[in-house]
Formats: sequence, structure tokens, C-alpha cells
Amino acid sequence: NAGVTQTPKFRILKIGQSMTLQCTQDMNHNYMYWYRQDPGMGLKLIYYSVGAGITDKGEVPNGYNVSRSTTEDFPLRLELAAPSQTSVYFCASSRTDFFIEQYFGPGTRLTVT
Amino acid sequence: AQSVTQLDSHVSVSEGTPVLLRCNYSSSYSPSLFWYVQHPNKGLQLLLKYTSAATLVKGINGFEAEFKKSETSFHLTKPSAHMSDAAEYFCVVSQGAQKLVFGQGTRLTINP
Repeated sequence: NAGVTQTPKFRILKIGQSMTLQCTQDMNHNYMYWYRQDPGMGLKLIYYSVGAGITDKGEVPNGYNVSRSTTEDFPLRLELAAPSQTSVYFCASSRTDFFIEQYFGPGTRLTVT
Repeated sequence: AQSVTQLDSHVSVSEGTPVLLRCNYSSSYSPSLFWYVQHPNKGLQLLLKYTSAATLVKGINGFEAEFKKSETSFHLTKPSAHMSDAAEYFCVVSQGAQKLVFGQGTRLTINP
């Protein structure tokens, strides 16, 4: 049982490039989330999904897109990367909703220069 | 709107001494509160949670937290610090469905 896995661990992008951050969970959780963590700050929710085919915006969705075609996978797409998107990105999952434990992946450190 | 304030950005204690990490929250209704721990280069792990049952909540690794409604606080404590406790700790409040609000984090350093 690997839990929540994320790839890549690190990435450097040039301004205007695009990339997809991968997230997979093997716990059969319905809910999945993407957060970003800026230095010295708590996590902020980018997007979340309550099940395959259903996604919704969080607090800071601008510049990102998501899809959820399977229960296991929840990729995050960055289009036209900007320096403001330099951050650490965490994927998480939970069995039902936000009130119970969320399981986090190890994170992806992204730098946009 | 819900908010959470962690009163110390950095706490340093000696091994074997007590740990106190402070958290105040604001909420328009009875909140659910959590403490998460993040070890270097790792994802977050749930330490404990309060969901309107007992006000003293016990978590993993000897940590506990007390919900005090009158003080709007949810401080995290541990009687005796261990070197492995060195990490970043986040106080989190739920804001209804589909929303967690994270504090800024407290970095805990343990001195030998």
C-alpha cells in the first residue's frame, strides 16, 4: 500500500512552459485535493475532486486545471507557467470529505524562472 | 469566515523538556480542528483531531491538544520532547464542507 504518490519530486520550468503534476492514490479514496505551500505559509487549496468525473475550484485555482478520469489519479496541469507558481505542491486524498483525515503525498517542488 | 493563527513561527526546546505549540482559531460555529506534522521533505501527517467529542484529544507519538472554546484555542502539547519531534506543525480548522484553513506553521527544533 503506497498511499499517495506524486511525480516528479522536483522540476524547474521556464516562464510560459506547461507541465502536468501527477498524483495517484491506492486507497480507493473518493476525495482528492491539490494544495500549494508557499514559503512560511500554510497550505492553500487549488482544486479538489469528490469522485471520478467531478472536480471543483478551491481557494487559488487560477493558472491551473485538473481532471479526474479514474478514482486513483488526479493530475494537476499548469498552463503558461509564471514565477508566482513557484511553490511546493501537495496532493492529498481522503475517504469521504474534509472532516476526516487527509493523506498527503510527499510533494513536488516547482520552480518557475 | 474561519481563520487560524499559530502564535509562534519557531519554537526551540531541549530534548526531554515539555513542548507547547500554540494555536488560536476563529469560527462562526463549532469547528473541527486538526494538528498535522510535516517532517523535512515529507508530506503532512495527521497528529490528532477534535470533532466536538472530548475536549482533550490524544494523538500519535505522545502529543495531545485541548480544545478551549472560551479561549478559542487548540494548543498542542507533549510532556517530553524527542529528537524525532523536530518538524513543522500545522494547526488546521475546517470551514464547512470542502474547505480546510491552515495556519502558517510552527517549526519545532529540539536541542540535544
